[in-house]
Amino acid sequence: DQQVKQNSPSLSVQEGRISILNCDYTNSMFDYFLWYKKYPAEGPTFLISISSIKDKNEDGRFTVFLNKSAKHLSLHIVPSQPGDSAVYFCAASPDGNQFYFGTGTSLTVIP
Amino acid sequence: GAGVSQSPRYKVAKRGQDVALRCDPISGHVSLFWYQQALGQGPEFLTYFQNEAQLDKSGLPSDRFFAERPEGSVSTLKIQRTQQEDSAVYLCASSLQRVGNEQFFGPGTRLTVL
Repeated sequence: DQQVKQNSPSLSVQEGRISILNCDYTNSMFDYFLWYKKYPAEGPTFLISISSIKDKNEDGRFTVFLNKSAKHLSLHIVPSQPGDSAVYFCAASPDGNQFYFGTGTSLTVIP
Repeated sequence: GAGVSQSPRYKVAKRGQDVALRCDPISGHVSLFWYQQALGQGPEFLTYFQNEAQLDKSGLPSDRFFAERPEGSVSTLKIQRTQQEDSAVYLCASSLQRVGNEQFFGPGTRLTVL
C-alpha cells in the first residue's frame, strides 16, 4: 500500500513560470518530509526538507508547503528554469530514518 | 570524490547466482541506508545502519537479502539465489546526523537478473 503518493506522473511548465509539484500521504505519524530531484543514471539529490512543526520552508527558488490536516505537501519552484527538468520525489518519515518515497513526477521546463 | 560511491554500477546475474553490492558512504557519516528502486517507482526502504548497528531491516523483501556494515563505514548488500524480481536499481544513502533528515545518495547499482 502506497503511503506517499504523487498523482501527477509528469508536468510541463514554461521557463520563468511557477512549477507546483504535489504529494499526498496517508500516515498521520509522518513528521519529516523531503523533496529529492533525480537526473537519469544518477542517484536522487536532496532539495529541501520540512518537519511537521512548520508549514513552510523556503530555500532560494524552492519552497515547500505542508498542510498536515490535509496530509498534503507541495513544492513550488519559481521561476522555473530548463535545468530544473528532472524527476522529483517526495518522501516522508515518522522518525527521520525510514523514509517512504512517492513514485515521482517528471518535470519538463520548456525554454 | 567526496560523495557516496557504489560498485559495481551495473551487474548482470543469472538466476540463482549470489551477488554483493558495495556502498562507500561519505566519510564520517553515521547513518547508512539501502533502498530498492524498481522501474517507474520511487525508492523503497530496505534497511539502515547507525554506525555498525543494523537498526531496522524491516524492508528487506526476503531472507535472501542480507546487509552488513562491520566497521561502521563501508556496507555490503548481499542477495543470495537471485530471482528475476530482484532486478532493480539498488541505492545507498548516508547521513551525517543520527536522525537522517538529509540523506546523500549514491548513483546506484543497476542489477539485472536473467
